[in-house]
Parts: sequence; structure tokens; C-alpha cells
Amino acid sequence: EIVLTQSPATLSLSPGERATLSCGASRNVNANYLAWYQHKPGLAPRLLIYDASTRATGIPDRFSGSGSGTDFTLTISRLEPEDFAVYYCQQYGSSPPWTFGQGTKVEI
Amino acid sequence: QVRLQQSGPGLVKPSETLSLTCTVSGGSISSYYWSWIRQAAGKRLEWIGRFYPSGSTTYNPSLESRVTMSVDMSKNQFSLILRSVTAADTAVYYCARETHALEIWGPGTLVTVSS
Repeated sequence: EIVLTQSPATLSLSPGERATLSCGASRNVNANYLAWYQHKPGLAPRLLIYDASTRATGIPDRFSGSGSGTDFTLTISRLEPEDFAVYYCQQYGSSPPWTFGQGTKVEI
Repeated sequence: QVRLQQSGPGLVKPSETLSLTCTVSGGSISSYYWSWIRQAAGKRLEWIGRFYPSGSTTYNPSLESRVTMSVDMSKNQFSLILRSVTAADTAVYYCARETHALEIWGPGTLVTVSS
């Protein structure tokens, strides 16, 4: 199975700043089938980005995804107060099982 | 608007069977893949498996020997069964619809395995 490694583990930033989150895969993610989710305590994860760079329905354009192969990035251009959460990457491109990264916590 | 509602016991005894149901409202259960995912405290999300209503089912090899997923098309709901549970199966369990990745999620059910 593909192992996803996210960095950094924690990102301490202020509202208005730019956040850059990384996700590395142990081997190529087929067809760049890589997604990013936002997860807040007590809530279900929320799909932000799929196919590495396509925003899901209703996601603000301050969220953007990039990358291919084994290296992927989620960028939040200007942090809003509601953006402080844990972010996970997930691959769904190779044969199952789909796998997730260990998460990056974006905190104030 | 498609919504997923989960039901099932929050407490299961060790060695017994965990059973959860996900009911789909606002849309049909057909023509999509449906997944179960879980997250133990302090751990990353773990994909349990998925199925397509026509019969295609795929499980995570780490759980395959203990997992069964089924669907009841007449009730627009699907279920997860996990047998012979241990404390390591204590987690929040989510159901989700897969279109572009895991697009729509249920609210999650905390299942604790304890005697």
C-alpha cells in the first residue's frame, strides 16, 4: 500500500498568513488521485481538494492544491479563523486500500 | 442535498460483533461507491473498505478477515459488520460516498470496545 507522510506535523500561524502543507507518497499516486480534507473536532472530515488540484463544491478559492507523482501541496493563501483545523491528504489512485497521511495541525 | 445518517451501538464487548448502519437521504444509493472509514484516538484515518451496490466490494487487507459490508437498496442504507472486536477497534466510524474522493461523509459514530 502507498504510505503518505505529511509535513510539518504542526503549523503555527496567524490569521491572514499563508499556509503551505506537504504530502509525500512512498510511490507514484496513479493519475494524481490525491485528495485533501479539513477535519475539526467532533465533525466529519470535509473534502477540500480532489484529483490533486480541483476544489470541491463550495470550497473557497483561498484553498489550492498542486503536485504530482509523489509530492503534493495544499496551500491556504490567507488563513481565516475558521481554517484552524487538522488537514489530511488521502490517495485513491492505486489499488485499494486507500490511505491517509497522519495529518497536519494548523494552529494559531 | 444528499445526507448520511449513521446508527448503531456505541459500546461493544470484546470478541463480539460491531454493527453500524448508514442511511442515505436526498439521493439514491445506486450508482456510487460507498465507504467506511474509522479513526482511533490520536491515529490517522483508516479506510475500512468500500462497495458498489451492483456487488463489487473491496476491503482493507488489514481487516478483510473480520469485515463484511452489505446494502439494503429498499431502505437506501448500507451496513458495516466487524467481527471479533478488541480494544484496538475503538474508534470513530464514518460512512462516506465516493465520487471525487470521499465527497460526502456521515457525522461519525464513536464505538467503544469494552466489557
